[in-house]
Amino acid sequence: QVQLQESGPGLVKPSQTLSLTCTVSGDSLSSGSFFWSWIRQPAGKGLEYIGRIYTSGPTIYNPSLKSRVTISVDTSKNQFSLRLSSVTAADTAVYYCARVSGTTDILTGYYVPDAFDIWGQGTMVTVSS
Amino acid sequence: QSALTQPASVSGSPGQSITISCTGTSSDVGGYNYVSWYQQHPGKAPKLMIYDVSKRPSGVSSRFSGSKSGNTASLTISGLQAEDEADYYCSSYTSISTWVFGGGTKLTVL
Repeated sequence: QVQLQESGPGLVKPSQTLSLTCTVSGDSLSSGSFFWSWIRQPAGKGLEYIGRIYTSGPTIYNPSLKSRVTISVDTSKNQFSLRLSSVTAADTAVYYCARVSGTTDILTGYYVPDAFDIWGQGTMVTVSS
Repeated sequence: QSALTQPASVSGSPGQSITISCTGTSSDVGGYNYVSWYQQHPGKAPKLMIYDVSKRPSGVSSRFSGSKSGNTASLTISGLQAEDEADYYCSSYTSISTWVFGGGTKLTVL
């Protein structure tokens, strides 16, 4: 059974860097079978895609966050991480990590992300002084 | 990238069917068959209900079905049950290799 667990500080000061880690159990990040993603949700609002990483391909970020976001992977620890710099109150949200299933696109032959099939429970991060 | 458009709320009585729409553009919903739907109960993580427009993951009730026409995808829930009351989000792969979500729809079972 695959499980994802987010961890990191629940409180970050404005202008500092938010850092979160997602620990994966029951699956190997180095298998290359899946993509791994971060998504956030401000209180009472909808979901926002942050970005994804794939051990056999490029890391893709939401253009609106691209200048501040870094997603990395540590296959030795079976973890992937999120760093978001220069945070403001607008970055206050529940942050989820998720596994993204992939499929081979019929038209292009490329292996593309399909859907967020397994989610962590989420971790609340508040940006405040 | 703009969020996909969903109705803010829908409602139905137990046993009835409801449909939630999700409208995007030719750069996302209309351009790819990688539309998925998620159910989220209060305080819980989202759960995948439909992927690739109309496929159901193992364990998801057959009462949930998905479809797409042009730039609009739809989620239909038949035989509404009290446990279906939740927020529902659509999502689509996009032409810039990212994902975009809908604003969410609150389903109330009367």
